[in-house]
Amino acid sequence: GENVEQHPSTLSVQEGDSAVIKCTYSDSASNYFPWYKQELGKRPQLIIDIRSNVGEKKDQRIAVTLNKTAKHFSLHITETQPEDSAVYFCAASMVNSGYSTLTFGKGTMLLVSP
Amino acid sequence: KAGVTQTPRYLIKTRGQQVTLSCSPISGHRSVSWYQQTPGQGLQFLFEYFSETQRNKGNFPGRFSGRQFSNSRSEMNVSTLELGDSALYLCASSEEADQPQHFGDGTRLSIL
Repeated sequence: GENVEQHPSTLSVQEGDSAVIKCTYSDSASNYFPWYKQELGKRPQLIIDIRSNVGEKKDQRIAVTLNKTAKHFSLHITETQPEDSAVYFCAASMVNSGYSTLTFGKGTMLLVSP
Repeated sequence: KAGVTQTPRYLIKTRGQQVTLSCSPISGHRSVSWYQQTPGQGLQFLFEYFSETQRNKGNFPGRFSGRQFSNSRSEMNVSTLELGDSALYLCASSEEADQPQHFGDGTRLSIL
């Protein structure tokens, strides 16, 4: 089955700095890669996703890049703010025969200091 | 649209008991997936339902089961509870299998 590795497990940055979280996946058939943000005691919220036919996607301060050959994808947050502090999860999925299963990384705790 | 609704939010049970958790998906969403979240294992896939049919199942024992009703609401059941079943159980829904999944707030299950 699919295996997703996520690094680093914790990341501390100063407000205004950039943050990068990296994930690798094992199944070359995976073709959908979402990122979720989970604040303490709250539900995971989808913040951005990318499909395998695209190499990069941006949404304001957030961007995701995908390297299918190397089987890794990354989340980039620019101009970080204290409210970006949360646990971020990457996931990989293969849509096959009409269903998909998300395999998650173990998460990255991002701490943004004012 | 209302988001994914899970009930109850908190449950305390003892070993050997069984429990049923409920999930109401976003209106119009037909796919419902269940995940177990623990500090040690992270988010792990339990199963996925679409139009009342289980289409995929994760690597969990048979004590974990689920079903989906004609209105897309889903329930999961855990029988013969063990201490290790203590976790946050999350439900996510999507319009179709290849569409983004949106999570509910989860049910926090504690086993004493």
